[in-house]
Amino acid sequence: DAGVIQSPRHEVTEMGQEVTLRCKPISGHDYLFWYRQTMMRGLELLIYFNNNVPIDDSGMPEDRFSAKMPNASFSTLKIQPSEPRDSAVYFCASIPGRGRDTGELFFGEGSRLTVL
Amino acid sequence: DQQVKQNSPSLSVQEGRISILNCDYTNSMFDYFLWYKKYPAEGPTFLISISSIKDKNEDGRFTVFLNKSAKHLSLHIVPSQPGDSAVYFCAATFQTGANNLFFGTGTRLTVIP
Repeated sequence: DAGVIQSPRHEVTEMGQEVTLRCKPISGHDYLFWYRQTMMRGLELLIYFNNNVPIDDSGMPEDRFSAKMPNASFSTLKIQPSEPRDSAVYFCASIPGRGRDTGELFFGEGSRLTVL
Repeated sequence: DQQVKQNSPSLSVQEGRISILNCDYTNSMFDYFLWYKKYPAEGPTFLISISSIKDKNEDGRFTVFLNKSAKHLSLHIVPSQPGDSAVYFCAATFQTGANNLFFGTGTRLTVIP
């Protein structure tokens, strides 16, 4: 079975440019999460969706960050404009509704973003 | 502020010996704890978990211990194998919700052959 698929795997861009990260969750999973990994703070939850609806975006650092989930099989995380401090690995994760109580997330391989 | 802390960024252990990874938390409302393992260029994968009603959970070579009074948990790997070399993240949640998952900063384990 296909896991969570993220693209691009690596992105290098210049400050001020728009960045779009993409995620395809596991089919049938009701919840989708966007995390950011940094050395200082580990894995931080940015936003999560339930049945394509954003439920909690309190982890989104600034208005420069936005996320959408137009359908059950696709989500995007957009940064506009990007800044060097946004450099991190961004993970997408999904979980079926019945698994919500366990916290056992299925992560994608991540998108490593470098903003110069 | 970090509610889940892994104070050792790295750990090196000889193959065959025990690896002990530690994790501390500050929120006494946490009632479910998990460990994830992450290889380079891959996403974290779930390894083992424990509910606050238990103080130990074992799965093969992996055992997680929970000390609620100390707000401390540890992951023991016995015996350690080179394939165990990875970054290990501790995570905690309350109301056993995936949307309330708090992660530590990770500990990089290196098992030396």
